[in-house]
Amino acid sequence: NAGVTQTPKFRILKIGQSMTLQCTQDMNHNYMYWYRQDPGMGLKLIYYSVGAGITDKGEVPNGYNVSRSTTEDFPLRLELAAPSQTSVYFCASSYSGGGAGGELFFGEGSRLTVL
Amino acid sequence: GNSVTQMEGPVTLSEEAFLTINCTYTATGYPSLFWYVQYPGEGLQLLLKATKADDKGSNKGFEATYRKETTSFHLEKGSVQVSDSAVYFCALSSLTGNQFYFGTGTSLTVIP
Repeated sequence: NAGVTQTPKFRILKIGQSMTLQCTQDMNHNYMYWYRQDPGMGLKLIYYSVGAGITDKGEVPNGYNVSRSTTEDFPLRLELAAPSQTSVYFCASSYSGGGAGGELFFGEGSRLTVL
Repeated sequence: GNSVTQMEGPVTLSEEAFLTINCTYTATGYPSLFWYVQYPGEGLQLLLKATKADDKGSNKGFEATYRKETTSFHLEKGSVQVSDSAVYFCALSSLTGNQFYFGTGTSLTVIP
């Protein structure tokens, strides 16, 4: 059971470079999320999607872009990387969202450092 | 708006001690409430949940009761083990269910 798979696990970027964090889930979940985790700050929502072709901003979307062309994939694009984007990024998915007590399933995380 | 406030850490306990991690929330309506646990180097995983007032979620000896009158969802365990060392996150889901809101996390270390 793969669940939610994120790649890469680690990456170092130079300021101004761009990259894409990949996220794939094999549970046929409609809802997918990208969070960033900074020390002592908990998780902040970057973007989320309620289904293929539908995305929406979370709390901290600036500097990021997403797309959702299929149910399985939800890549996160960083354009013009900045040191403030140094963080651990988590992708998560849910079958029904949280309204009915739906559970979030998380990937293992991607640690990004911008120098 | 929606927010979660949880007890600051880190918390260090001896094995078999009683654990309480406080969590209070602000939300419109009646959100679902969750506790997630993150073991070192891993993603978060669901520990327990409650979807309506007075519900008690429980798993692996941990419990939390959804208290609407005090807007709280405190995590408790009667006797902690070294293997419980992790970071614990309280969370709620929005009324529409589209978004989840997390507390800042509480780091727990249990020493033998």
